[in-house]
Amino acid sequence: DAGITQSPRHKVTETGTPVTLRCHQTENHRYMYWYRQDPGHGLRLIHYSYGVKDTDKGEVSDGYSVSRSKTEDFLLTLESATSSQTSVYFCAIRGHGFNQPQHFGDGTRLSIL
Amino acid sequence: SQQGEEDPQALSIQEGENATMNCSYKTSINNLQWYRQNSGRGLVHLILIRSNEREKHSGRLRVTLDTSKKSSSLLITASRAADTASYFCATGLTQGGSEKLVFGKGTKLTVNP
Repeated sequence: DAGITQSPRHKVTETGTPVTLRCHQTENHRYMYWYRQDPGHGLRLIHYSYGVKDTDKGEVSDGYSVSRSKTEDFLLTLESATSSQTSVYFCAIRGHGFNQPQHFGDGTRLSIL
Repeated sequence: SQQGEEDPQALSIQEGENATMNCSYKTSINNLQWYRQNSGRGLVHLILIRSNEREKHSGRLRVTLDTSKKSSSLLITASRAADTASYFCATGLTQGGSEKLVFGKGTKLTVNP
């Protein structure tokens, strides 16, 4: 299995609180991604990173920010969580170049009450 | 709307039978990838087929790609109870100089012993 660790694995919090999810990789891959998975929507890209301090938005980026200060860590922050952000969040990594598969972590189940 | 759409949404078969899942997409692609997701886990990469390839095999998996019809199929032969999972197709697209994946909503496969 690719060396990807997501933390925490489960979190319950209240509306309006800040939340940070962490993705840690040991593969030294350049590309890292954050997705959310919701029933009826499949996986949707939130943000991605193509290098240290290089990030860009995905299709559902509103309400989320990311940071990547080291190759191995990619953080996803919900500045003020809302109930609509209740979801399962997945981190993925990919090696350099095109036509490379992505490798996924086991996800973080986030519930916002 | 989704770039990739799987069909059927759910499939139930007996152990030993073959399972076929289809994926349709809308735009030009670099590649098409299939992933498996067991309940409560992250996605696992199964197979990647490039846009200039027509068929690819990996063990009991056979993937075809028809770029003229913008469609792909995943065939699992001699299915086992352990194949029970959700299967997702994802199209690899070049956007902003890097490659991103757009996922379909998945096919839920149940293999009955």
